[in-house]
Amino acid sequence: DAKTTQPTSMDCAEGRAANLPCNHSTISGNEYVYWYRQIHSQGPQYIIHGLKNNETNEMASLIITEDRKSSTLILPHATLRDTAVYYCIVRYNTGGFKTIFGAGTRLFVKA
Amino acid sequence: EAGVAQSPRYKIIEKRQSVAFWCNPISGHATLYWYQQILGQGPKLLIQFQNNGVVDDSQLPKDRFSAERLKGVDSTLKIQPAKLEDSAVYLCASSPASGGTKNIQYFGAGTRLSVL
Repeated sequence: DAKTTQPTSMDCAEGRAANLPCNHSTISGNEYVYWYRQIHSQGPQYIIHGLKNNETNEMASLIITEDRKSSTLILPHATLRDTAVYYCIVRYNTGGFKTIFGAGTRLFVKA
Repeated sequence: EAGVAQSPRYKIIEKRQSVAFWCNPISGHATLYWYQQILGQGPKLLIQFQNNGVVDDSQLPKDRFSAERLKGVDSTLKIQPAKLEDSAVYLCASSPASGGTKNIQYFGAGTRLSVL
């Protein structure tokens, strides 16, 4: 099972880029990296996912290293509303593409 | 597009009582998930349905927890009898399919259960 390691918490100044790292050194070739976030008292929300190439959408950018053993989620201009727990997940195939959440990174965006 | 609906939002019961949670997934989503989230931890998958069949229930405490998905749409999760350690938020999610790149899961707001 590919597992992920994330820092417990991070701070970011409002308006600056937030760079959230994730280590997934045991990832296998057909496993995707997914990012979700969970704002207080809400269910997790999908942000972005990728396999090999860097990805960008309206919410964030995902940078995956060439060896795929780590990735970084980038929120280009963090706002106070981005304060949340961010989960990096490697989705592995056990017949049902089980999704396992770790403890995530608690991001505090400060004014 | 309507999101995943869950009810109730909050429930307080005493230990050894029974409780049931309801989930209505996004229309057309084949896969439905129930997660348990204990305070300070990430969500833990309890059970995953593909249409109305169970794909994975390896972490469901089957001596007290049960779940069903009627006609491949709505689902209920039941706990009978409840224990103190069942206090958690129970999250329901759905996705269009379980494989490929379509496994983006959409979560409901959850049901917060307190067992006293």
